[in-house]
Amino acid sequence: EADIYQTPRYLVIGTGKKITLECSQTMGHDKMYWYQQDPGMELHLIHYSYGVNSTEKGDLSSESTVSRIRTEHFPLTLESARPSHTSQYLCASSGRVYNSPLHFGNGTRLTVT
Amino acid sequence: QKEVEQNSGPLSVPEGAIASLNCTYSDRGSQSFFWYRQYSGKSPELIMSIYSNGDKEDGRFTAQLNKASQYVSLLIRDSQPSDSATYLCAVGGNTGNQFYFGTGTSLTVIP
Repeated sequence: EADIYQTPRYLVIGTGKKITLECSQTMGHDKMYWYQQDPGMELHLIHYSYGVNSTEKGDLSSESTVSRIRTEHFPLTLESARPSHTSQYLCASSGRVYNSPLHFGNGTRLTVT
Repeated sequence: QKEVEQNSGPLSVPEGAIASLNCTYSDRGSQSFFWYRQYSGKSPELIMSIYSNGDKEDGRFTAQLNKASQYVSLLIRDSQPSDSATYLCAVGGNTGNQFYFGTGTSLTVIP
């Protein structure tokens, strides 16, 4: 059973605020990912990391940033939230074994007013 | 051309029937294939992984892989209303680090 945790579960925040979405996993997985998904729509990869101090931007242009200082922790930060950032943000991780599947956290549903 | 293609549906089947979900992929070097179930408002949940040609069964679920034809399918036997969800096909890139998702097929099981 995968153990990957995201907080907060829901967040409503005003425009211009700085926010950090937390993601932690307890499995020692090297690979971690952030996806953005609007209701009923497909997943879009926004950031990924293959290990400590390694981060890359994904396919979807995003104004967010990430950091990977510890293996288990992969937070996503929005410096200045906008209504267009309203979405569900999903964190996922994958094990060191080649071709290990992705395991997702419960997600953070962000609403920017 | 997208890396992974799925029929978006919606697919409706009566309770007790077999639901068949299909997925094609473009990269012949792909080695890993996954099916995820996503309930509305929830995160995707891994239900099947398959790596070799042929069938893999787990309870009511059977994944089928045909690398020569570049397709992977998921069969759900004895469909239940609780199976109503969106099913995502995912393909692992040939480096083992990237994952490519289809847009998902919406399944409704009618009681």
